[in-house]
Amino acid sequence: DTAVSQTPKYLVTQMGNDKSIKCEQNLGHDTMYWYKQDSKKFLKIMFSYNNKELIINETVPNRFSPKSPDKAHLNLHINSLELGDSAVYFCASSPGTGLDLTNEKLFFGSGTQLSVL
Amino acid sequence: AQKVTQAQTEISVVEKEDVTLDCVYETRDTTYYLFWYKQPPSGELVFLIRRNSFDEQNEISGRYSWNFQKSTSSFNFTITASQVVDSAVYFCALSEPARDYGGATNKLIFGTGTLLAVQP
Repeated sequence: DTAVSQTPKYLVTQMGNDKSIKCEQNLGHDTMYWYKQDSKKFLKIMFSYNNKELIINETVPNRFSPKSPDKAHLNLHINSLELGDSAVYFCASSPGTGLDLTNEKLFFGSGTQLSVL
Repeated sequence: AQKVTQAQTEISVVEKEDVTLDCVYETRDTTYYLFWYKQPPSGELVFLIRRNSFDEQNEISGRYSWNFQKSTSSFNFTITASQVVDSAVYFCALSEPARDYGGATNKLIFGTGTLLAVQP
């Protein structure tokens, strides 16, 4: 069973479209994250949620809206896609609360490669 | 200033060579965690090790070993007798209290990665 699964794996779309990436974890973790990896492989946190509550929001355009219907899911919706949004998006989860360093090992999904044309 | 610096962008070695990947970090906190992740060509991120700031013992796991030196703020990763399957991008990362959130949460900050190519 995949611990952190995200769909789709590949997403090709036109500029201006709205798209969503789904993420689910079956590890029982309390905290979930979205990371963006750009073309130079640089990984940066976008959001973190703990028990459906937004904790970290990192200067991400408000075209990006995460939604956490329950603590096992954290979906990422992107409006009005732009060329610069092309990247690999990783979902992750951790057993900690996001507040306790002792439990902050992240488990990553396999990534969603978004290409905006 | 970069929090996690991996100065080696790319390293190429021949199979069976030993290789060390460097990682230098910067933090004002006394409590923090350091990580190494591997990203093979298939793209997923694989956890390798986590080390807390109070444990400076070196660690060995099979062909992998890690050298944590607080005095130089470094957490280097050595692969002994490298194999083609070790070819990947390796990321060093630092988890510390996020001061821009009042320290109420932690952030995992990644280095820019080192691409290791192991030639047969």
